[in-house]
Amino acid sequence: GAVVSQHPSWVICKSGTSVKIECRSLDFQATTMFWYRQFPKQSLMLMATSNEGSKATYEQGVEKDKFLINHASLTLSTLTVTSAHPEDSSFYICSARPGTREEKLFFGSGTQLSVL
Amino acid sequence: GENVEQHPSTLSVQEGDSAVIKCTYSDSASNYFPWYKQELGKRPQLIIDIRSNVGEKKDQRIAVTLNKTAKHFSLHITETQPEDSAVYFCAARPNTDKLIFGTGTRLQVFP
Repeated sequence: GAVVSQHPSWVICKSGTSVKIECRSLDFQATTMFWYRQFPKQSLMLMATSNEGSKATYEQGVEKDKFLINHASLTLSTLTVTSAHPEDSSFYICSARPGTREEKLFFGSGTQLSVL
Repeated sequence: GENVEQHPSTLSVQEGDSAVIKCTYSDSASNYFPWYKQELGKRPQLIIDIRSNVGEKKDQRIAVTLNKTAKHFSLHITETQPEDSAVYFCAARPNTDKLIFGTGTRLQVFP
């Protein structure tokens, strides 16, 4: 199956700093990637849709200036949490589809962010 | 927008018994319904999916049924094993790229 790689797997940072998370499709090109957030024992909440070469589409209630998404190539999307605060601590996970006609969504391994 | 409800939130079964998880969706335009299994701290793994033009699909011990009229779909796991213990998520795809997930079911299979 398609492989999606995500780094780092965990990160601890101080409040006020920024953290960048990378999501790579290893064996396919992805014009669209999706970023989800998951709190402990809760569901995956879609944050934004990352579109290669254009601006990301954010879900209602997600601050685009706080969660910066860049999809500069067909195999890489990045999520930057700016000026992180303890309430941003969460499990962030990206996903991608190997082709516009492919329905199956494959997930990265996730990033556990802890903001002190 | 699409809203997906999932029940039960927790499910405990004895090894060898069957487990059923149910989901309902709100958007009649949704046409794709995958199920994911997520173990603690790991990525969700696709276990089975069904499209809106199919009523039932089976893969070994796992099956999914879809009732488009009632807008609900179910996951059936037969002959459960301890390694089936995990959190299961249903999802629905409205007529867009997005997948909207249900709230999850924590399945525990006791030996």
